[in-house]
Amino acid sequence: SQTIHQWPATLVQPVGSPLSLECTVEGTSNPNLYWYRQAAGRGLQLLFYSVGIGQISSEVPQNLSASRPQDRQFILSSKKLLLSDSGFYLCAWSVLGTSYTFGSGTRLTVV
Amino acid sequence: KQEVTQIPAALSVPEGENLVLNCSFTDSAIYNLQWFRQDPGKGLTSLLLIQSSQREQTSGRLNASLDKSSGRSTLYIAASQPGDSATYLCAVLGGSQGNLIFGKGTKLSVKP
Repeated sequence: SQTIHQWPATLVQPVGSPLSLECTVEGTSNPNLYWYRQAAGRGLQLLFYSVGIGQISSEVPQNLSASRPQDRQFILSSKKLLLSDSGFYLCAWSVLGTSYTFGSGTRLTVV
Repeated sequence: KQEVTQIPAALSVPEGENLVLNCSFTDSAIYNLQWFRQDPGKGLTSLLLIQSSQREQTSGRLNASLDKSSGRSTLYIAASQPGDSATYLCAVLGGSQGNLIFGKGTKLSVKP
């Protein structure tokens, strides 16, 4: 069966520090991978998606970047965090036409 | 640009009631529509997926309908229970890259 792992579950980081969130998928090949952010009181915002290794598309210009070094690994990064980067980050995978499956999320607080 | 709206934003009902959550979308050229549940501080759990060619899907006490031409979907929950308390999110899949666009959700509270 397919599973998705996302870590860490919570993270408190100072302004200006770097960020690395990792997401891995098991039980499927060549999935589409996604990073979403959910800010307090707002809906889910698509940040990045990837249809293959090394292929990253950005939906919203911002302080973040994403990489896909392996077929089932998706990484969200920042060189210098801003207060506005705080939020709940969710990784997801899908194969076109099927349902999306989400990870358990990372609560990021930038202080 | 696709926009998804969910009404109401919040709903409180007594246990045992049947209820309907509404979702509307502006661009009817969708591939499918998915309903999710989110518990506080948790990730999203998929409830039902309706393909664009389908009219409804059922899972247990949940029934989701889709009227693509009018840009509407409803999630019907029968005999609500306190354990149904959560935020329910509607999302549509469309566009050349197949990205999921979400509504802001309906926060449901079922009182014992």
